[in-house]
Amino acid sequence: DQQVKQNSPSLSVQEGRISILNCDYTNSMFDYFLWYKKYPAEGPTFLISISSIKDKNEDGRFTVFLNKSAKHLSLHIVPSQPGDSAVYFCAARNSGNTPLVFGKGTRLSVIA
Amino acid sequence: SAVISQKPSRDICQRGTSLTIQCQVDSQVTMMFWYRQQPGQSLTLIATANQGSEATYESGFVIDKFPISRPNLTFSTLTVSNMSPEDSSIYLCSVVEGFSPEAFFGQGTRLTVV
Repeated sequence: DQQVKQNSPSLSVQEGRISILNCDYTNSMFDYFLWYKKYPAEGPTFLISISSIKDKNEDGRFTVFLNKSAKHLSLHIVPSQPGDSAVYFCAARNSGNTPLVFGKGTRLSVIA
Repeated sequence: SAVISQKPSRDICQRGTSLTIQCQVDSQVTMMFWYRQQPGQSLTLIATANQGSEATYESGFVIDKFPISRPNLTFSTLTVSNMSPEDSSIYLCSVVEGFSPEAFFGQGTRLTVV
């Protein structure tokens, strides 16, 4: 039973346009949601997070939106750049020092 | 954020042998975890490495196959024992500092079993 789902395995976007990556979850006890970026041959790099008590968090070109009633979150990247091409993982955790639960990832390709 | 050094970065091993992966952190961290990423799949938690006591394993993972040590707050090892080709994966060490919600990762160990 997958608690965190990323239903789009891949996404292609033109440079300069907006990239929207989606994530759904089933566990209403999750307290934090995080996005990670992963290049080949590297470990995941933390991008941005959001607490369950908020609905939006912004950091530069990256914005995460949380819709608790729909159990859905999304990552917006604008403007998209070729260097953003990577696999993006959605992750969630309960409160306390609990481990992260990951989605399967979405491969983003930003085309120049 | 903590700087995590994971060794080796990659290895090719014969089936039936064992490999020990090391994770060294430059600061004391609250929690250390080991994950596996099989080809095309998500990151799956193997176990939580507990300092000074036995690791806590997730369903489907056992200590005999994946023994873990954590002798102090900055270091942990994961051993993949009696390897088979199905163990070919990327193995990742992850740490959490204090009460921060973020977890940070080492660069991973790409293991190929032939």
